[in-house]
Amino acid sequence: DAKTTQPPSMDCAEGRAANLPCNHSTISGNEYVYWYRQIHSQGPQYIIHGLKNNETNEMASLIITEDRKSSTLILPHATLRDTAVYYCIVRGGATNKLIFGTGTLLAVQP
Amino acid sequence: GAVVSQHPSRVICKSGTSVKIECRSLDFQATTMFWYRQFPKQSLMLMATSNEGSKATYEQGVEKDKFLINHASLTLSTLTVTSAHPEDSSFYICSASDRTASYNEQFFGPGTRLTVL
Repeated sequence: DAKTTQPPSMDCAEGRAANLPCNHSTISGNEYVYWYRQIHSQGPQYIIHGLKNNETNEMASLIITEDRKSSTLILPHATLRDTAVYYCIVRGGATNKLIFGTGTLLAVQP
Repeated sequence: GAVVSQHPSRVICKSGTSVKIECRSLDFQATTMFWYRQFPKQSLMLMATSNEGSKATYEQGVEKDKFLINHASLTLSTLTVTSAHPEDSSFYICSASDRTASYNEQFFGPGTRLTVL
């Protein structure tokens, strides 16, 4: 599976949009981009995933560049409860495994 | 979303004893379950992949004789840490893959905090 690169930490003001970047320059054609988050001392929570089109659900939007080498997770109106470590994971279609990188610690400030 | 539970949520044991952790999918059938370990301030590390009715597949560097995994049914997998030592103290998390989901989403349990004295 392709490796991902994320900034170690980001801050965001409450009520503003949080934009979390992820680089996955070695992604191959059948690999999906998944986003999970982990609030302190809890299990990870699925957020969203995509292949090449932009995706939106009730939690977030996922913007994938045309060359698929990077993506951005957007939380439209961040709240204090969105403070967590956000993981961007690239997963191939043939495998079920999720390999977690170091993620981005998003701190939402009041 | 689907619910995965773990039991116990927290366990403290003496060095040399064995500890069993259960992972259950509550409202779906999981053909595949995964076990992760997470040390403080670190990311999740995949330990093994468990398929119902067959032997688990362990990641490189994970001792299969120390971390025994059993996946006897479509809703239950167990991880037994045998002869636990203080360095095995960690946060153990399981996940389950919903066989009916169109994109093979994994649902995670809340984790089990193991402390070995």
